[in-house]
Amino acid sequence: SQKIEQNSEALNIQEGKTATLTCNYTNYSPAYLQWYRQDPGRGPVFLLLIRENEKEKRKERLKVTFDTTLKQSLFHITASQPADSATYLCALDMDSSYKLIFGSGTRLLVRP
Amino acid sequence: GAGVSQTPSNKVTEKGKYVELRCDPISGHTALYWYRQSLGQGPEFLIYFQGTGAADDSGLPNDRFFAVRPEGSVSTLKIQRTERGDSAVYLCASSSLGQGIGGYTFGSGTRLTVV
Repeated sequence: SQKIEQNSEALNIQEGKTATLTCNYTNYSPAYLQWYRQDPGRGPVFLLLIRENEKEKRKERLKVTFDTTLKQSLFHITASQPADSATYLCALDMDSSYKLIFGSGTRLLVRP
Repeated sequence: GAGVSQTPSNKVTEKGKYVELRCDPISGHTALYWYRQSLGQGPEFLIYFQGTGAADDSGLPNDRFFAVRPEGSVSTLKIQRTERGDSAVYLCASSSLGQGIGGYTFGSGTRLTVV
């Protein structure tokens, strides 16, 4: 079955730097890959979606890449701010359906 | 409403009791999903509704779990004979497109604690 790996250790960076989070998966590539942000006590908030045939997607300070050869997606936050501190979840939509497979998330801490 | 609303936000129940968790999706969203999230883990799929019908309930862990959406809007997740292992945050999400291409909108969840 599909497995998703996100770094379980928190990523601790200085304000203004670029944060890079990794999502690795096994088996075959998903039709879509989504990234969500989750704050404590809240539900996940959708950030970006990238399709299997796309290499990169940008939205403001966010950038997602998708490498189906490496079976990896990278999520970048440029000019990071303390308000970006949260847990970031990677989710795979394997066959353009409705069922997402989530990773365990990586916690990002941005120091002022 | 503007977002997905879930009630109650917290529920403590005794082992063996029956509980109902409610989800009020974004108005007009035909697709509704239930996920369950344990501490330190990502959400796990439980069930998907398209309109009033459960299109896929393959994620429900056993027959103690059941969900309904009788009028195609509000949904209720029902858990019978609760067990301590059912303790988790139960998340509801909705989307306007069944395929979730635009991403899902999640509620804040119901934290269920079985003691």
